Amino acid sequence: EVLLVESGGGVAQPGGSLRLSCEASGFTFGHHAMHWVRQAPGKGLQWVSLISWDSSRVSYIGSVRGRFTISRENSKNSLYLEMNSLETDDSGFYYCATKADRYTSAYGGFDFWGQGTLVSVSS
Amino acid sequence: QSVLTQPPSVSGAPGQRVTITCTGSRSNIGTGYAVHWYQQLPGTAPKLLIYDNNSRPSGVPDRFSGSKSGTSASLAITGLQAEDEADYYCQSYDNNLSGVLFGGGTKLTVL
Repeated sequence: EVLLVESGGGVAQPGGSLRLSCEASGFTFGHHAMHWVRQAPGKGLQWVSLISWDSSRVSYIGSVRGRFTISRENSKNSLYLEMNSLETDDSGFYYCATKADRYTSAYGGFDFWGQGTLVSVSS
Repeated sequence: QSVLTQPPSVSGAPGQRVTITCTGSRSNIGTGYAVHWYQQLPGTAPKLLIYDNNSRPSGVPDRFSGSKSGTSASLAITGLQAEDEADYYCQSYDNNLSGVLFGGGTKLTVL
């Protein structure tokens, strides 16, 4: 069974930092691109960032570029999102996700999602 | 501009057919990237409903179908059931973004 388990969410002040983690099991983590997707309360889904299987390629949505850093440790089956200079608009559930087909996992079609971790940025 | 446009809401009576459209541009759907669809029930993570334009994951009823043409795609749901009431999102890859793009979401109400 594929499992993605996020952790690290919580309350932070504007300008603060949080580090999210996603622990994967049930598939060959090191073969797949991984993504972070967020959802503000009552709002739609928003893709945040992706990292290729070997970390050679990363990409971010414009609103977080320069503030967030995605990384992974394939030896630990783990994905991370370092979030700095947090803004109130960064609040919401953060999901890690990937696709079963590793060859197209960078392009969407996410079969596998975690349960999400809640980030709340407030003064 | 990198946007996938969906109607905010659609509705239909039980047993009816509804369609949800997803309009993109030449930087995403029009380039040939696949379109995927998700169903999200309140308080839960999204569930993949259609992948690669028109394929259904195991366990998804054949009442759900997807299509794509040019810079747009559609999700059709036939034989509407009360349990289909949810939010639906389209998704594709975008060259300008160099990343994944979601539509704004469509709330389906079963009357």
